[in-house]
Amino acid sequence: GDSVTQKEGLVTLTEGLPVMLNCTYQTIYSNAFLFWYVHYLNESPRLLLKSSTDNKRTEHQGFHATLHKSSSSFHLQKSSAQLSDSALYYCALSDNNNAPRFGAGTKLSVKP
Amino acid sequence: GPKVLQIPSHQIIDMGQMVTLNCDPVSNHLYFYWYKQILGQQMEFLVNFYNGKVMEKSKLFKDQFSVERPDGSYFTLKIQPTALEDSAVYFCASSPDRGPITLYFGAGTRLSVL
Repeated sequence: GDSVTQKEGLVTLTEGLPVMLNCTYQTIYSNAFLFWYVHYLNESPRLLLKSSTDNKRTEHQGFHATLHKSSSSFHLQKSSAQLSDSALYYCALSDNNNAPRFGAGTKLSVKP
Repeated sequence: GPKVLQIPSHQIIDMGQMVTLNCDPVSNHLYFYWYKQILGQQMEFLVNFYNGKVMEKSKLFKDQFSVERPDGSYFTLKIQPTALEDSAVYFCASSPDRGPITLYFGAGTRLSVL
């Protein structure tokens, strides 16, 4: 079945450094969509980004990701981490009909 | 943005009892979901509900689980009877449509089965 892999459980960065959170996936569906959800403490998880077409970059709130079907990846990036970016980040996979399946999540901790 | 409300935020019950978790989805959304997250583990899909029916469920959606949304009121997850391994945070989500499915989450209900 479908699966999403987020290898890093915890990423600790100093403010101002670039962010890269890894996400790879496996699916039998050719029309799969990838998502990044962010979960701040004491809030609801919410959508941060969703994939567009193959090799096209999508951006939102300073974060960006590019779907690469050739490598089954959808890594999340940001040029400069801010303290307020500290949160849990989930990569998720869905096709048009099935509910999204989530990766294990990566906790991003940004230090001054 | 659109809000999904979950009531209560925390529920403590004794093993074997019945529990109902309530979710007030975004008003014009048609698709409803429950996810389960055991502490320190990933968020796992339980069930997808549309037009009064279960559309999709995972192997975690045991026979003791049921969902309904009577007359457009709360979307509920009922567990009867509960077991110790049901202790987790249960997230409700809704989406307006499919293709691709964008989920709007509630803040979760923490269920503690003693």
